[in-house]
Amino acid sequence: EAAVTQSPRNKVAVTGGKVTLSCNQTNNHNNMYWYRQDTGHGLRLIHYSYGAGSTEKGDIPDGYKASRPSQENFSLILELATPSQTSVYFCASGDAGGGSQNTLYFGAGTRLSVL
Amino acid sequence: TQTVSQSDAHVTVFEGDSVELRCNYSYGGSIYLSWYIQHHGRGLQFLLKYYSGNPVVQGVNGFEAEFSKSDSSFHLRKASVHWSDSAVYFCAASLMNQGGSAKLIFGEGTKLTVSS
Repeated sequence: EAAVTQSPRNKVAVTGGKVTLSCNQTNNHNNMYWYRQDTGHGLRLIHYSYGAGSTEKGDIPDGYKASRPSQENFSLILELATPSQTSVYFCASGDAGGGSQNTLYFGAGTRLSVL
Repeated sequence: TQTVSQSDAHVTVFEGDSVELRCNYSYGGSIYLSWYIQHHGRGLQFLLKYYSGNPVVQGVNGFEAEFSKSDSSFHLRKASVHWSDSAVYFCAASLMNQGGSAKLIFGEGTKLTVSS
């Protein structure tokens, strides 16, 4: 079965600090995604990637960077964390192209609190 | 602009009841539609999807969804719910971009509570 692992599962950070959220997938999927989930907003796309070395801006990229050093790993980086970035973050992988719909496989989430 | 909306934030039913969770989308072109389920404290899991063909698609655990182009809808249904169906359900639409890869846009989610 598809496996997406996020670390850490919980993180408390200070305002202005740097935070890195990591994601690893063993599905050999080309595409990886970072979403944040907030009450009343559902899931919003932050950054995504088509493969190693590529990153693309999603719908709410401000304040976030992403890094895809390999097929398996996709990181989300908050260089200067702010309280507004307190949220639950989900990583997902998927493989689409050639007309097939992209079915996503999600990690368990990272709960980030910025104080 | 592509949007997905789920008009009901909360739905409560009794075990054994039928349920319909509503999803409407706005986009003029070809679109993939899917439903995901999120149990408390977990990541989302895929339920079912539609792109073309039979507008009624079957998913896991007795769920089905029906696509309607005229109504721009993709409602999720289950004939008889179980307490374990209590979860948050997300409708999603994917738009194929030039790279051939798809970016999923999610609705706000509907929290289903099944009471015994």
